[in-house]
Amino acid sequence: QKEVEQDPGPLSVPEGAIVSLNCTYSNSAFQYFMWYRQYSRKGPELLMYTYSSGNKEDGRFTAQVDKSSKYISLFIRDSQPSDSATYLCAMSQGAQKLVFGQGTRLTINP
Amino acid sequence: EPEVTQTPSHQVTQMGQEVILRCVPISNHLYFYWYRQILGQKVEFLVSFYNNEISEKSEIFDDQFSVERPDGSNFTLKIRSTKLEDSAMYFCASSEVFYSRETQYFGPGTRLLVL
Repeated sequence: QKEVEQDPGPLSVPEGAIVSLNCTYSNSAFQYFMWYRQYSRKGPELLMYTYSSGNKEDGRFTAQVDKSSKYISLFIRDSQPSDSATYLCAMSQGAQKLVFGQGTRLTINP
Repeated sequence: EPEVTQTPSHQVTQMGQEVILRCVPISNHLYFYWYRQILGQKVEFLVSFYNNEISEKSEIFDDQFSVERPDGSNFTLKIRSTKLEDSAMYFCASSEVFYSRETQYFGPGTRLLVL
């Protein structure tokens, strides 16, 4: 089993839709969970981070962590064409390497 | 807003040549990292660096690779004898570490092409 699994998509939705992106993981020692956005041939840009379980909201973005199920999600409300990018989940045990998912390529259609 | 910077943005080299990739982490950060991303693949961890020494390295980070913090601001990745398979995007990252807050900020990357 891969340490972090993420559906690579591609995922295409109309503008204004709610987008749900997910990752599962196998290492129960992970404590820090992040979502990065990556535009083509650019560096990952930190969107959201969560420590341990729970929800975190920032504007149109909501991150959820369910450690009991080893499952994390990112929700994007009122999606915009500018949200089109690859979304990477990443996680770590703290002050250590990030383990990334494959990335989900998302396209928001006007 | 503070950011991680990397130079050069692109580098083309011949197989067997040495390359040095440079990074300036965010100034108050204490942990530094290198990752790479081969085209179409996952971002992969290479090495982490703290307190002037390597704290963790991956299997990819073999004897051909080395890292250094030559002064108070730069952080470098050296590949001694490049191979074709070293062609990738190399990202530097840095983080400040406090309890419950461990976020790594990435630079824009250096695209390395080995011919």
